[in-house]
Amino acid sequence: QQQVKQSPQSLIVQKGGISIINCAYENTAFDYFPWYQQFPGKGPALLIAIRPDVSEKKEGRFTISFNKSAKQFSLHIMDSQPGDSATYFCAAGGATNKLIFGTGTLLAVQP
Amino acid sequence: NAGVMQNPRHLVRRRGQEARLRCSPMKGHSHVYWYRQLPEEGLKFMVYLQKENIIDESGMPKERFSAEFPKEGPSILRIQQVVRGDSAAYFCASSPNRDEKLFFGSGTQLSVL
Repeated sequence: QQQVKQSPQSLIVQKGGISIINCAYENTAFDYFPWYQQFPGKGPALLIAIRPDVSEKKEGRFTISFNKSAKQFSLHIMDSQPGDSATYFCAAGGATNKLIFGTGTLLAVQP
Repeated sequence: NAGVMQNPRHLVRRRGQEARLRCSPMKGHSHVYWYRQLPEEGLKFMVYLQKENIIDESGMPKERFSAEFPKEGPSILRIQQVVRGDSAAYFCASSPNRDEKLFFGSGTQLSVL
């Protein structure tokens, strides 16, 4: 019940394309769903987050879509750039910031 | 405002030795979290501390691991009698309140020979 399943494991996208990463959770007590971006040798950095009272949140080229009934959420990166190449982690949490992370998606954006 | 500072960045220990990992949270942050990342895996929660208190240690192995966040000074994650399976990247994160976003440090890569 504490798992967060993330797919795909890796993704190759052409520059300018749309990158889509999906996550699914089981625990309906989760009420906070962030996405983190991690570059090699660095710690994860918060990219965008959503709470279940909205179905979509957009910040620049990054959009989270949230489906509460299906217990799924996804990250869309529009106009993907080579600088977006990194590992992306979804996570889910409750009131204490004790986050359960997905296993990560390695994104490569080809020029 | 400096970010979350972790040191050392790399730590090499032989089996049976002790490892001490340090984390200085961002200024004004009193909540500290430790996560462990194994190769090709996501981050796994270990422990959540507030100044001088352990709030949640449900992700920490019962033996050999301990954590503290004293009134003064950095948070310390201590691993006694390290084994090869302890080799991983250990990340510290901090937040100003329990339900605000986490800021992560750059991690400590522990290698056990």
